[in-house]
Amino acid sequence: GNSVTQMEGPVTLSEEAFLTINCTYTATGYPSLFWYVQYPGEGLQLLLKATKADDKGSNKGFEATYRKETTSFHLEKGSVQVSDSAVYFCALSDLEEGGNQFYFGTGTSLTVIP
Amino acid sequence: DVKVTQSSRYLVKRTGEKVFLECVQDMDHENMFWYRQDPGLGLRLIYFSYDVKMKEKGDIPEGYSVSREKKERFSLILESASTNQTSMYLCATSIGQGGNEQFFGPGTRLTVL
Repeated sequence: GNSVTQMEGPVTLSEEAFLTINCTYTATGYPSLFWYVQYPGEGLQLLLKATKADDKGSNKGFEATYRKETTSFHLEKGSVQVSDSAVYFCALSDLEEGGNQFYFGTGTSLTVIP
Repeated sequence: DVKVTQSSRYLVKRTGEKVFLECVQDMDHENMFWYRQDPGLGLRLIYFSYDVKMKEKGDIPEGYSVSREKKERFSLILESASTNQTSMYLCATSIGQGGNEQFFGPGTRLTVL
């Protein structure tokens, strides 16, 4: 079946530190991969996505590369800011299932301190 | 921009009450979803709908039902609320098929006393 595993939090970093949040997946077909971010008191919003192997998604300084050989989609940012404090969710949709249903990881809470 | 609105941000109900949570979208998306979000469990899919009057069970449909009478509106119904249904409920929409982005509403935090 389909599933997503992401690193447990919470993660606390100082401003300007390097961020990595690990995400690995299991999929029966050809998944598209996503990172969503949830700021306090808000719903989820798409941060970036990749639809095929070796694609790199990027947005707001965040990057993630779709690695089929390691079934991973790790989120990285070179220099975090206080405003990046949020919960980050890795997700996949499986095109073999029609691609409508998403599978989410459990979320990783990030706090950036000045 | 896609806008997904949910009827309430916060809701407090008593055990045994019937509860309606409503989601409305303004972008003509075919697909609509209801999730619940709990600490340590992430998002779990309750029900989804591909079209008007169509519904599919997700991973945790027990204790819930849904209604989609119009394309833009997807309602989640708790027939008899229980304390273990205290949670954050998130509605999402997406267009067509093929792994398209889901757009989320702001969520409803439901407390059942």
